[in-house]
Amino acid sequence: DAGVIQSPRHEVTEMGQEVTLRCKPISGHNSLFWYRQTMMRGLELLIYFNNNVPIDDSGMPEDRFSAKMPNASFSTLKIQPSEPRDSAVYFCASTLTGLEETQYFGPGTRLLVL
Amino acid sequence: AQSVAQPEDQVNVAEGNPLTVKCTYSVSGNPYLFWYVQYPNRGLQFLLKYITGDNLVKGSYGFEAEFNKSQTSFHLKKPSALVSDSALYFCAVRESNSGGYQKVTFGTGTKLQVIP
Repeated sequence: DAGVIQSPRHEVTEMGQEVTLRCKPISGHNSLFWYRQTMMRGLELLIYFNNNVPIDDSGMPEDRFSAKMPNASFSTLKIQPSEPRDSAVYFCASTLTGLEETQYFGPGTRLLVL
Repeated sequence: AQSVAQPEDQVNVAEGNPLTVKCTYSVSGNPYLFWYVQYPNRGLQFLLKYITGDNLVKGSYGFEAEFNKSQTSFHLKKPSALVSDSALYFCAVRESNSGGYQKVTFGTGTKLQVIP
């Protein structure tokens, strides 16, 4: 398996622009997580999907952030409009809940908002 | 609420010496405990986990960790450090349960520097 795939790997955009991050989880996994990592706040859980349904979005910073999982093999995290404080590395992770519990992380998307 | 503490921001150790990266946790029930490693510009990689059973857990790359319920600790150890072990290490915890969603809480990370 190729592991968790994220795109793009790097994104530079200007304040106010829309940003869309993409994730393909490991085939067969039923849970997907979006995290944000910064020096100041460490690793933060943004949202958790189970069987394509959002279960916990308490970590989503504000209405500018939205996430979807239209099917078991694809998820997006959208920021609209983006702000400089959104600059961070965004990770997607997947797991097989109930049996595995280990989360497998993608390589991350490094976002810089100017 | 559950929490994880990694009291050391950085640990320095000489190559060949034993290393320990500390982790303590707090959960209301029984814990599932994890260690992950992050190399520069990479995602987190799973090292080992404690779910149940033997308190000493062996993982990847020669690492091991001991679950100590009385001290609520899950310290990561390796008998002989390698320069290639230099990375950022994260401890994580979630409460075990028979079903349903339980959030995983990650620590703030400890940077391990192995000196040649």
